[in-house]
Formats: sequence, structure tokens, C-alpha cells
Amino acid sequence: DAGVTQSPTHLIKTRGQQVTLRCSPKSGHDTVSWYQQALGQGPQFIFQYYEEEERQRGNFPDRFSGHQFPNYSSELNVNALLLGDSALYLCASSLVGQPQHFGDGTRLSIL
Amino acid sequence: AQRVTQPEKLLSVFKGAPVELKCNYSYSGSPELFWYVQYSRQRLQLLLRHISRESIKGFTADLNKGETSFHLKKPFAQEEDSAMYYCALSGVEGGYQKVTFGTGTKLQVIP
Repeated sequence: DAGVTQSPTHLIKTRGQQVTLRCSPKSGHDTVSWYQQALGQGPQFIFQYYEEEERQRGNFPDRFSGHQFPNYSSELNVNALLLGDSALYLCASSLVGQPQHFGDGTRLSIL
Repeated sequence: AQRVTQPEKLLSVFKGAPVELKCNYSYSGSPELFWYVQYSRQRLQLLLRHISRESIKGFTADLNKGETSFHLKKPFAQEEDSAMYYCALSGVEGGYQKVTFGTGTKLQVIP
């Protein structure tokens, strides 16, 4: 089991563009959470998906949206990119109530 | 709202010296606390959780509800302990489980 896998590894976009990041959870996990980690900061919770629905959301604007598919994989979409969106985006999967397993992240750079 | 505070950005200790990484939290209910570690060029991984009450790689952490703390300790630091350490709290907000991370402490073990 490869654990949590994220794609792409790195991405460069310009301001105003839109981006989609992808995550495949660890085998057997049904819950996916997304985090934004700015340089020198801890991971900040964006939202969590379970049974294809957004269950919980952090303090992020509506430009950040997501989706979970029937196979539990998930996408994070960010519209109208700003310079401040440059960060490492982490995906974590788990079973409900169990510790999260993290992927390696997608490094997003906005020019 | 739940909050996690790690007051030290950097902690430098000599090999063989004791280590204590501080973590304080704010949460109105009964929290579940975790320590995550990120070694150089590796993904974030769970080190230990308070309900397990186990020692991992010589590290222990005790939940002190009176002081709202969950400090990570090791009696004798090793060079391979050098890494970023994040304290995290899992609590219920809006009816669902949410994980909040601290800003992290970089542990540097000097040979």
C-alpha cells in the first residue's frame, strides 16, 4: 500500500488562474482532509470530506472548494489564485475517529 | 474554538541531553492530542497519541488537563531526533471532528 498519494508534486500558476489538486487516500480509509501549510507554519485545516460530502470547513474563502468521489479519492480546487495561495497543500486520510495519514503534499507556487 | 500553541520555533539541545517540546491547548471539551513528526524530506507522520499512552522512539507525552498541556519529552536526545515536531488536537466543532495543528517546533540535536 503506497499510503496517501497526491498529484502533482509541484505546480506553478499565475494570479487569477484556477488549479485542481488530487489525492488518493490510503487503502481502506474513507475520510479525506485537506490542509494548507505556508512556509514556517503548521498545517491549516481547509476542509474534510466523508461520504462525498463536505463535513467540516476551516477559515478559507469560497474560492477553495473540493470534491470526494465514490472511490474516496478527492480533489481540491482553488479559483482566482492569489499570491498568498502559494503553499504546500497536504491531503490526509483516515477512518472516522482514527489518526490521519498524510501524503507528501503538492507544492503550489503562484507567480 | 480549538487552539494549539507551541511557544518555541526552535529548540537546540546537545546529544544525550533531555528534551521537552512544549504544547498547550485550548478546547472546551475532552480533546484528543497527538504529536506528529516530519523528518527532513519525509512526509508528516504520527509519532504518538495521548490515548495510547505508549513510548515511541523513546518519546512520551502526558496529557495534563489542569494545565491544558501535552508536552513531548525524551530523557536522552539522539541526532536522529532532529526534525519538525507538530502538536495537534482533535476535537468536535459543529458536530464533526476537526484537527488543529500548532505552528511546530524544530528540534536540532547537536552532536
